[in-house]
Amino acid sequence: EPEVTQTPSHQVTQMGQEVILRCVPISNHLYFYWYRQILGQKVEFLVSFYNNEISEKSEIFDDQFSVERPDGSNFTLKIRSTKLEDSAMYFCASSVNRGGETQYFGPGTRLLVL
Amino acid sequence: GENVEQHPSTLSVQEGDSAVIKCTYSDSASNYFPWYKQELGKRPQLIIDIRSNVGEKKDQRIAVTLNKTAKHFSLHITETQPEDSAVYFCAAGDSGSARQLTFGSGTQLTVLP
Repeated sequence: EPEVTQTPSHQVTQMGQEVILRCVPISNHLYFYWYRQILGQKVEFLVSFYNNEISEKSEIFDDQFSVERPDGSNFTLKIRSTKLEDSAMYFCASSVNRGGETQYFGPGTRLLVL
Repeated sequence: GENVEQHPSTLSVQEGDSAVIKCTYSDSASNYFPWYKQELGKRPQLIIDIRSNVGEKKDQRIAVTLNKTAKHFSLHITETQPEDSAVYFCAAGDSGSARQLTFGSGTQLTVLP
């Protein structure tokens, strides 16, 4: 069964550094999402992406964040200048269609900002 | 925006007993309600979902009920097993837009052998 994949599984970075988290959504899916989960807390929506543009974003997704689909398979989340509070698990998800369709989650990237 | 409340935050049951987790939502436009199971350090895995045109859905030991009028939905697990121990998240979404899922705060279910 196809799965969403993410790399790296863990990333440690210094505050102020840029990080890029990578995701490969399921191949026939059209909608892509990034969520984050701070340790012990709920999953929070960051951004949704369709047809090479952002569909919706949350208040968490400020100017430090950006997303890109650089080629036909990858979907990336960039944090330009990391802060301590960016430390979290970042999940990528994808769905065939929008909103009311099942979203399949990747295994996550655990980001630690020192 | 949508707000999803989930209760209880922790639940311990004896193996073989039933477990019930409840969620409420605020946005009447929401019409898709999935439940995810998350084991420690793993990705959220969809276990069951329900759409607003049905009131109940069952898959083996797992069932979900939806009351659109009251804006609440519940997860029922019968004949619990130790491997059911995990954090369970409810979520709400709207099929009419590209909106994200809004998650509840999670329930740590522990099934005691």
